[in-house]
Amino acid sequence: GAGVSQSPRYKVAKRGQDVALRCDPISGHVSLFWYQQALGQGPEFLTYFQNEAQLDKSGLPSDRFFAERPEGSVSTLKIQRTQQEDSAVYLCASSPPGLSTGELFFGEGSRLTVL
Amino acid sequence: TQLLEQSPQFLSIQEGENLTVYCNSSSVFSSLQWYRQEPGEGPVLLVTVVTGGEVKKLKRLTFQFGDARKDSSLHITAAQPGDTGLYLCAHHPNQGGKLIFGQGTELSVKP
Repeated sequence: GAGVSQSPRYKVAKRGQDVALRCDPISGHVSLFWYQQALGQGPEFLTYFQNEAQLDKSGLPSDRFFAERPEGSVSTLKIQRTQQEDSAVYLCASSPPGLSTGELFFGEGSRLTVL
Repeated sequence: TQLLEQSPQFLSIQEGENLTVYCNSSSVFSSLQWYRQEPGEGPVLLVTVVTGGEVKKLKRLTFQFGDARKDSSLHITAAQPGDTGLYLCAHHPNQGGKLIFGQGTELSVKP
């Protein structure tokens, strides 16, 4: 596809379950970002990859959150032992190399609801 | 971390009205971006401002970067229901890498 693709679009999990959220960036984009967004708030940075290297994971809220991008393309955000406070929209974004404007291209997000 | 404060947090207006939303910080930015996010979608870049005092226009939207590069505003003329959404300002703290967002202004334009 032409844009960033995220799946699933909606996920309902029981508290304590593990979830995995997938992101397919735009082809050729080397940088990939994960954000967490609460309703009506701005996105909060979680982590950032350049190719397969995770360069910044300072925003991950706890060690229950783990992200990987093993081949420098598709990325997975995994949340272990989900808690109610993990309920949010998880946005993935990508950007191409050498783009001076620093524009990020976002997917539609994965909405996680933890019961 | 350079914090971005956006105001107002919520704005509900009638079609045809004008409005201004603000993005402020105590720190100087090398550049600032404005995004719009519609319900159920990801944010989409509207504009990047780089030079202090810069004004950019995008149809009925006018963006201004403060002279000291610490603040920015977005003015919408004759708002339309299609302008409804969450308006976010953002910056890159480290010239690339992560993008940091303000908390956003949620705009509702009623017909």
